[in-house]
Amino acid sequence: KQEVTQIPAALSVPEGENLVLNCSFTDSAIYNLQWFRQDPGKGLTSLLLIQSSQREQTSGRLNASLDKSSGRSTLYIAASQPGDSATYLCAVLRASGTYKYIFGTGTRLKVLA
Amino acid sequence: DAGITQSPRHKVTETGTPVTLRCHQTENHRYMYWYRQDPGHGLRLIHYSYGVKDTDKGEVSDGYSVSRSKTEDFLLTLESATSSQTSVYFCATLGSVGTDTQYFGPGTRLTVL
Repeated sequence: KQEVTQIPAALSVPEGENLVLNCSFTDSAIYNLQWFRQDPGKGLTSLLLIQSSQREQTSGRLNASLDKSSGRSTLYIAASQPGDSATYLCAVLRASGTYKYIFGTGTRLKVLA
Repeated sequence: DAGITQSPRHKVTETGTPVTLRCHQTENHRYMYWYRQDPGHGLRLIHYSYGVKDTDKGEVSDGYSVSRSKTEDFLLTLESATSSQTSVYFCATLGSVGTDTQYFGPGTRLTVL
């Protein structure tokens, strides 16, 4: 059974700091892994998608890496800003033919001005 | 973002009553999903659809049914609402497996008294 874990559950950092969010999964048979952002009271917005054959993806100040063999992904946020404050969730799409996503419980990030 | 709307956005109902939530999309995406989000549990899949009239269960499907008679609409029905079904419900779509990202609706906050 695929399980996705995100540690830490919450993180508070001063503005300008570079930070890393972690996502681990137990089954390496995945199609892709996605990172999402969720603002309070809102739906999820996709940040980055990494295919199973890729090692990393970048978008602006965000960089996501994937190591399938170790079951780990990291989301790197450079020069954090108060506007980055949100909950970040990772999700894996299982390569089982059923097209079901498994989500982690998220990391709640607060960037202090 | 894919044009995904959910209705109603908020609903309060009483235990034992049936409730139907609607998800409507304008992107002609093949796959549609219903999730619930609860504190400490993250997003959990209730049901998903891989085409018109083609649906499958997720990890928390008991007490819920779905229907998809048109590509653009995916209905979630709580047959007899219980207090444990108080939650925020999200609909999501996916255009193609493996290369596309999930797009999320704004959510429906359901309270069962």
